[in-house]
Amino acid sequence: QQQVKQSPQSLIVQKGGISIINCAYENTAFDYFPWYQQFPGKGPALLIAIRPDVSEKKEGRFTISFNKSAKQFSLHIMDSQPGDSATYFCAASDSGGSNYKLTFGKGTLLTVNP
Amino acid sequence: DTAVSQTPKYLVTQMGNDKSIKCEQNLGHDTMYWYKQDSKKFLKIMFSYNNKELIINETVPNRFSPKSPDKAHLNLHINSLELGDSAVYFCASSQEGSSYEQYFGPGTRLTVT
Repeated sequence: QQQVKQSPQSLIVQKGGISIINCAYENTAFDYFPWYQQFPGKGPALLIAIRPDVSEKKEGRFTISFNKSAKQFSLHIMDSQPGDSATYFCAASDSGGSNYKLTFGKGTLLTVNP
Repeated sequence: DTAVSQTPKYLVTQMGNDKSIKCEQNLGHDTMYWYKQDSKKFLKIMFSYNNKELIINETVPNRFSPKSPDKAHLNLHINSLELGDSAVYFCASSQEGSSYEQYFGPGTRLTVT
């Protein structure tokens, strides 16, 4: 049972364009939604995170949009750059329940063409 | 200073062998994790330890045995290696209560031939 569904599986964007990755979750107990970025040959690294009491969080060119009623959240990368080419994972955690588990989506391979 | 380190980075071995992967974190975190990333990049939690106590064991075969000698170390021992064990294994750590913010090691690419 996949608790966090991520789409698309891969995405190709031109430099300067907007990259959008979507995720949907099922467990309403989830209360923290981070995004991780993974470059080839490296471990994932936390990029940005949001709590469900906020509808949007922006850090530089990266924005998370959150729709609690639809149980969906998305990552927007503005002015995408070739250096943003990486695999992006959405995730969800439940701090009230199992406080030691992060449930990941299956990842999106982003390629930004110069 | 490397926050989460793993050794070795690459491990090539034959079926049936026993091998270990070591992980150390210098962040002062209480919780450590092992993940398996398959060829499709899917990240699957294997184990979670908090203050040296096993918290999560996600239906991992008994051939996999984690050991936490102290809060800064979490090693993974694998017995009787199988072809399907080939993957990249990541160690991670977080503050207790902040599982959303995990710090990952560089990974160990295990190839079983």
